[in-house]
Order: sequence, then C-alpha cells, then structure tokens
Amino acid sequence: ETGVTQSPTHLIKTRGQQVTLRCSSQSGHNTVSWYQQALGQGPQFIFQYYREEENGRGNFPPRFSGLQFPNYSSELNVNALELDDSALYLCASSFRDRADTQYFGPGTRLTVL
Amino acid sequence: AQSVTQLGSHVSVSEGALVLLRCNYSSSVPPYLFWYVQYPNQGLQLLLKYTSAATLVKGINGFEAEFKKSETSFHLTKPSAHMSDAAEYFCAVTKGGSSNTGKLIFGQGTTLQVKP
Repeated sequence: ETGVTQSPTHLIKTRGQQVTLRCSSQSGHNTVSWYQQALGQGPQFIFQYYREEENGRGNFPPRFSGLQFPNYSSELNVNALELDDSALYLCASSFRDRADTQYFGPGTRLTVL
Repeated sequence: AQSVTQLGSHVSVSEGALVLLRCNYSSSVPPYLFWYVQYPNQGLQLLLKYTSAATLVKGINGFEAEFKKSETSFHLTKPSAHMSDAAEYFCAVTKGGSSNTGKLIFGQGTTLQVKP
C-alpha cells in the first residue's frame, strides 16, 4: 500500500499570485485534512474533506480553498498569496470512521516573496 | 474548545538519559491525545495515541505516555535517549468518541536535543 504523497516538494511564489498544492491519499482513505505549519510552530488545521465535501474548516480566510476528487486525491488552493502564507503545508488522510488514525504526507514548503 | 500546551520549547538530554516531554491539554469533552514526531524537512509521524482505553500508552521507538485526567496531562517519556531521537515533538488533541473527526489541535512543539 502506498503512503500519502504531496507535490510539489518546494514552491516559490510572489505576493498576490495563486498556488495549487496536491495530495494523494493513502490507498482507500476517504478523508483528507490540510494543515499549515509556519516556521517554528505547530500545524494548524485548515480544513477537511470527506467524499468531496468540505467537512469542517479552521480559522482561515476564504482565499484558502480545497477540492477532493473521486479517487480521494486532493488539492489546496490559495489565492492572493501573502507573505505570511509562507509555511509547510501538510495533508493527512484517514478513513472517516478512523479519524483518530491519520497518516501525514511529507509536506510542501511554500515560500512567498 | 480544546487546546494543548507543551511546556518547554527546547529540551536537551544526554544520550542514555531519561526523556520527558510535557504536554497539558484543555478539553470540554473527553479527548483523544496524540504525540507526533517530525524530523527535519519531513512530515509528521505518529508516535502513540490515547483513545480512552488504557491510560498508559506505549508507542514506537520505546516511547510511552500516560493520560492523567486529574492533571490534564499527557507527558511523553522514554527511559533512555538515543541520538536518533533528536527531532521536533508535537502533542495534539481532538474530540474523542463518536464526535471524533480527526481535526487535530497541535501544541507549539518541543525540540529534543540529544547530546553524546
């Protein structure tokens, strides 16, 4: 069984641009959560998707949006990038009824200049 | 509302010494509690979790943690530190039971340094 993968590994953007980050869930997992980890901080919950529907959102503005596809892969989109969006973005997948067991991907390091 | 406080942003121990990383939580409902480890430039790896079964939880790599409701604590310990334990450690909480949705609230993290 394959683990959680994320792409790209690193990304550099300028302020005001838009970015799309991708996550491929562990085989069979139907729930994906996205987290933002700023340098020196713990991860913060952005949102969660279950069966292609948003299933809860943290304290992030609407310019952070997501998609989950029928094959349970997922995207995180961020519009109008700000300098403070520079962070490691982590996705985690799980089964809906085993949400206490999440598997994290290696993350995408986003730098906004 | 739920929150996690990790006491000590940086802990330094000698190789072979006891490792103790402190975590206190706040939760209005019975919690599930977790410890994750993060090595440089990597994602998070689950060390262990408490989900309302045994209060003493054993995890990978010789780590264990004890859930103490009266103290609202979930401290992580390892009897003998190894150089490979040097990493960032995160305590996390989520709602337990049927209300569990896997939305984790993380602490700020503790950097463990292991000296030879």
